[in-house]
Amino acid sequence: DAGVIQSPRHEVTEMGQEVTLRCKPISGHDYLFWYRQTMMRGLELLIYFNNNVPIDDSGMPEDRFSAKMPNASFSTLKIQPSEPRDSAVYFCASSFFRSEAFFGQGTRLTVV
Amino acid sequence: GENVEQHPSTLSVQEGDSAVIKCTYSDSASNYFPWYKQELGKRPQLIIDIRSNVGEKKDQRIAVTLNKTAKHFSLHITETQPEDSAVYFCAANGNTGNQFYFGTGTSLTVIP
Repeated sequence: DAGVIQSPRHEVTEMGQEVTLRCKPISGHDYLFWYRQTMMRGLELLIYFNNNVPIDDSGMPEDRFSAKMPNASFSTLKIQPSEPRDSAVYFCASSFFRSEAFFGQGTRLTVV
Repeated sequence: GENVEQHPSTLSVQEGDSAVIKCTYSDSASNYFPWYKQELGKRPQLIIDIRSNVGEKKDQRIAVTLNKTAKHFSLHITETQPEDSAVYFCAANGNTGNQFYFGTGTSLTVIP
């Protein structure tokens, strides 16, 4: 397996634009996580899914953020409209129940 | 949810010395405690983990200890090498068993 695959690796967008981040988890994993990493706040859990169902989205900062998992092999994190304070590295990770979470390479988002 | 605190935030050691990073957690239901290493510009990767049914686990130069009563766990790196320089994160899985809550990270520098 190629591991968790995220795209794009880098995204630069203007304030107010919609941004969509994509993730393909490791095949067979039944949990998928979205994290945001910044210097100030470290690694924050935004939302996680179990068997494609969102379980806990309490970490999503506000209504501008939304996440979907239409099937077991694909998830998206969308920010609309984007703001400069959303600039961060966004990681997707997947795992089996109570086991190691494998991280993707991350998407570095810059909102100008 | 779970609250994981990690200390110190930065740590510098001489090559060959030992390094210790400590974490505490708040939710007694947490039973899985992974440690991740993140090199600059890369994804977090698991280096060792421990489950609540054991008190200590060792893998070559790396060991982790867990005190369930006190709700703290520690990472020990012996005979440190320059390639150990990175940011280390502890995590706990919270009361649902599969939400990974991360500490704020320790930036370790090994001085040759």
